[in-house]
Amino acid sequence: EAQVTQNPRYLITVTGKKLTVTCSQNMNHEYMSWYRQDPGLGLRQIYYSMNVEVTDKGDVPEGYKVSRKEKRNFPLILESPSPNQTSLYFCASSLSGLAGGPSGELFFGEGSRLTVL
Amino acid sequence: AQTVTQSQPEMSVQEAETVTLSCTYDTSENNYYLFWYKQPPSRQMILVIRQEAYKQQNATENRFSVNFQKAAKSFSLKISDSQLGDTAMYFCAFMKRGLNNAGNMLTFGGGTRLMVKP
Repeated sequence: EAQVTQNPRYLITVTGKKLTVTCSQNMNHEYMSWYRQDPGLGLRQIYYSMNVEVTDKGDVPEGYKVSRKEKRNFPLILESPSPNQTSLYFCASSLSGLAGGPSGELFFGEGSRLTVL
Repeated sequence: AQTVTQSQPEMSVQEAETVTLSCTYDTSENNYYLFWYKQPPSRQMILVIRQEAYKQQNATENRFSVNFQKAAKSFSLKISDSQLGDTAMYFCAFMKRGLNNAGNMLTFGGGTRLMVKP
């Protein structure tokens, strides 16, 4: 089954304790990205990757890191989490970075609820 | 930069009736895509419908249709014959067309929570 898998789905942690949210897709997609969802703000892009070893900042990258060493994986790293990073996080992927066409349709993971105390 | 505004934080509708969710956007781009996504309590983001800005014809998908007014920068979603399973958060989203620096970045509105009542 074609899917984007995120782990963990739920996490409660404390300020300053490094954590990683993993994202893996099995569709051989080139493009992957991370969004965070906050009430009233919708989803906002954190980082994206057009292909292996190519990553760039989205709209709200502060406090986050990513890596793209393999095509299928795109982990989101919070080196020193803070309470303002409490949010619902989504990983998404598409066949290519060509926006909007059939190959650009975004597939979303099921979300990871992160709470930073 | 683009902005997307959904002015109705919450709406409700009786089962089998019709409801319209509003969305306006602001952009200087001429070529772009607009989307409606549904997020049920399971949190999954589900693509409901998509509109290409260069097409004048409004997109439809079964009970879901849009009213796309490019000059007014308005993109409303109409749900006909509402069903209990339509209860969800609905997000309007914008994407610039073509290969661009941000790839497939979606700009989302704040969402409208729709409750379908039996």
